[in-house]
Amino acid sequence: KAGVTQTPRYLIKTRGQQVTLSCSPISGHRSVSWYQQTPGQGLQFLFEYFSETQRNKGNFPGRFSGRQFSNSRSEMNVSTLELGDSALYLCASSLLLAGGEEQFFGPGTRLTVL
Amino acid sequence: AQTVTQSQPEMSVQEAETVTLSCTYDTSESDYYLFWYKQPPSRQMILVIRQEAYKQQNATENRFSVNFQKAAKSFSLKISDSQLGDAAMYFCAYRSAAGTYKYIFGTGTRLKVLA
Repeated sequence: KAGVTQTPRYLIKTRGQQVTLSCSPISGHRSVSWYQQTPGQGLQFLFEYFSETQRNKGNFPGRFSGRQFSNSRSEMNVSTLELGDSALYLCASSLLLAGGEEQFFGPGTRLTVL
Repeated sequence: AQTVTQSQPEMSVQEAETVTLSCTYDTSESDYYLFWYKQPPSRQMILVIRQEAYKQQNATENRFSVNFQKAAKSFSLKISDSQLGDAAMYFCAYRSAAGTYKYIFGTGTRLKVLA
C-alpha cells in the first residue's frame, strides 16, 4: 500500500504570494491532518479534515486554510505569505483518527519564503 | 488546554547503551493517549510506541519501552541497546480520548548515537 504523499516537496516563494500544498493519504484513510514544523517549535497543529469536513482547527491566522476532496485528498493554502511561514509542512492520515489510532505522516513540503 | 513539554533539546548515547528521553504533559482529562514518534533525518515520521492512559502497564515495543507515571504526568521513552539507526528527532505527543481530533506534540529531542 502506498504511503502518504505530499507535493511539491520543496517550494520557494516570496513575501505576499500565496501557495497551495497537496496531500494524498493512504488509500482508505479518511482523516487528514496538517502540521507546521519549525525548529524549536515542534509540530504545530493546523487543521484536521474527515470526509470533507474540518473537525478541528489550530491557532493559526485565517491566511491558513484547507480543504478535503471526496477522494480524501487534501490541500492547504497559505495566502499573503510572510517570512515566518517558512517551515516544513507535514500531512498525516489515519483511518478515522479515533482512539489511539496511529497517524501516518508524509515526507513534508519544505516551504521557504524570501 | 493541554500542553506537552520535552525539556531535553538534544541527547547523546553510546551505541549499545541505554538512553531515556523525558516528556511531561499537562491535562485535566483522565482518558487520553500518549505517543512517541521518531523522525529520522530527511525521512518520514513514524510511530515508535503508544500508551493508553487507562492502562497501568507500561507499553513495550522491542528495544523501546515507556515509563508512564499518570499522577506525575510523565511519559519517558527508554531505548535499550541503542543503534546508529536510532539517531533521529523524537517527539512526544498527546491525544485526548474525547474526540478532539488533534495531536499535541512536544518540541522534540534530537538523539545522537555515538559509535
